[in-house]
Amino acid sequence: SQQGEEDPQALSIQEGENATMNCSYKTSINNLQWYRQNSGRGLVHLILIRSNEREKHSGRLRVTLDTSKKSSSLLITASRAADTASYFCATDAWNRDDKIIFGKGTRLHILP
Amino acid sequence: SAVISQKPSRDICQRGTSLTIQCQVDSQVTMMFWYRQQPGQSLTLIATANQGSEATYESGFVIDKFPISRPNLTFSTLTVSNMSPEDSSIYLCSARDEKLFFGSGTQLSVL
Repeated sequence: SQQGEEDPQALSIQEGENATMNCSYKTSINNLQWYRQNSGRGLVHLILIRSNEREKHSGRLRVTLDTSKKSSSLLITASRAADTASYFCATDAWNRDDKIIFGKGTRLHILP
Repeated sequence: SAVISQKPSRDICQRGTSLTIQCQVDSQVTMMFWYRQQPGQSLTLIATANQGSEATYESGFVIDKFPISRPNLTFSTLTVSNMSPEDSSIYLCSARDEKLFFGSGTQLSVL
């Protein structure tokens, strides 16, 4: 069963604006990860945040994690056309036999 | 980080036939995973492939339909058997350390 639920399901913004995507999950986790998928191909790992971390940065990406609310957000600043993709959150839990479970994803479209 | 080569990248198959998807990893990995992604949907885990033992299948997936081989620590195959149009999906193999590394996916269309 799906662990994460992203919202919005789809997002269109102008190039240069910031994009924010949210993820909620149901059970306790070791870490939460964000992935990007271009045009239905293989996923690329973007960033990992551990359960004892609250915020993490990588370039134009900023991820927050609120374990009390079981939620995370991904912020992409100064968006570019190349950021157009689907973004998925995924959770990793110690009691899940090393399986990483994906949310439903957000389709991000950057308008020129 | 591991690099995974997956093939074929796409195929169009006839109903009732089978297709075997191969994944080669450039380093030894303990665990490999096979996912299915139906059009416009998220990834659903099919099974975990461990070397030297039978694959562990998730609810809704069975070995007769999706036989998996894992002959060594760098290679795995997934066969989609007796295909129907409902099997049209992207199939993705992956390996993990703390995060997942993915092959480029196999886009399967069944007529």
